[in-house]
Amino acid sequence: GQQVMQIPQYQHVQEGEDFTTYCNSSTTLSNIQWYKQRPGGHPVFLIQLVKSGEVKKQKRLTFQFGEAKKNSSLHITATQTTDVGTYFCAGPNYGQNFVFGPGTRLSVLP
Amino acid sequence: SAVISQKPSRDICQRGTSLTIQCQVDSQVTMMFWYRQQPGQSLTLIATANQGSEATYESGFVIDKFPISRPNLTFSTLTVSNMSPEDSSIYLCSVGAVAGMNTGELFFGEGSRLTVL
Repeated sequence: GQQVMQIPQYQHVQEGEDFTTYCNSSTTLSNIQWYKQRPGGHPVFLIQLVKSGEVKKQKRLTFQFGEAKKNSSLHITATQTTDVGTYFCAGPNYGQNFVFGPGTRLSVLP
Repeated sequence: SAVISQKPSRDICQRGTSLTIQCQVDSQVTMMFWYRQQPGQSLTLIATANQGSEATYESGFVIDKFPISRPNLTFSTLTVSNMSPEDSSIYLCSVGAVAGMNTGELFFGEGSRLTVL
């Protein structure tokens, strides 16, 4: 079935440094979503990418969808302590549900 | 967006007992899902709760262990039956396709953290 992988599993950065997490799928995706889960919280939707090569920005966050629609990345510029959490990518499964990647846990040291 | 209320938020249960988790949404939704998130892990889909019919279970999950009800478009329950310590996890209700607004995103409840002794 559908599998979505993410790297790295963990990332520790100093506040102000950049951060990137990568998502790869075994199959071509019609779209990909990104979620953030703060420690002790629930996943919160960040964005959905649909088009091949699409790039979307949300303030310091930049999301990319690969040309082949098999990979995606999330880049955070100049991390802040509020960026701490686990970032999940999710690919469509069937029936409007999604398969979640293992997540990248981001720690930001002040 | 959809506001999702889950009860209980957390519970400590004895081995062999069963617990029912409730999920209430503030608007009618087409799709409701139940996910499990084991400590430090990602989200794994248990089943899709179908209104008016039996839930659709993912591989590795069965109705006898995780019976699900979906009596209407705003409410669902998940029961974790005959619990063992391996069932200790966070169980998350999720909805998609809020009536009249299908952006594709999933909304999640706060989760129910179960600890089985």
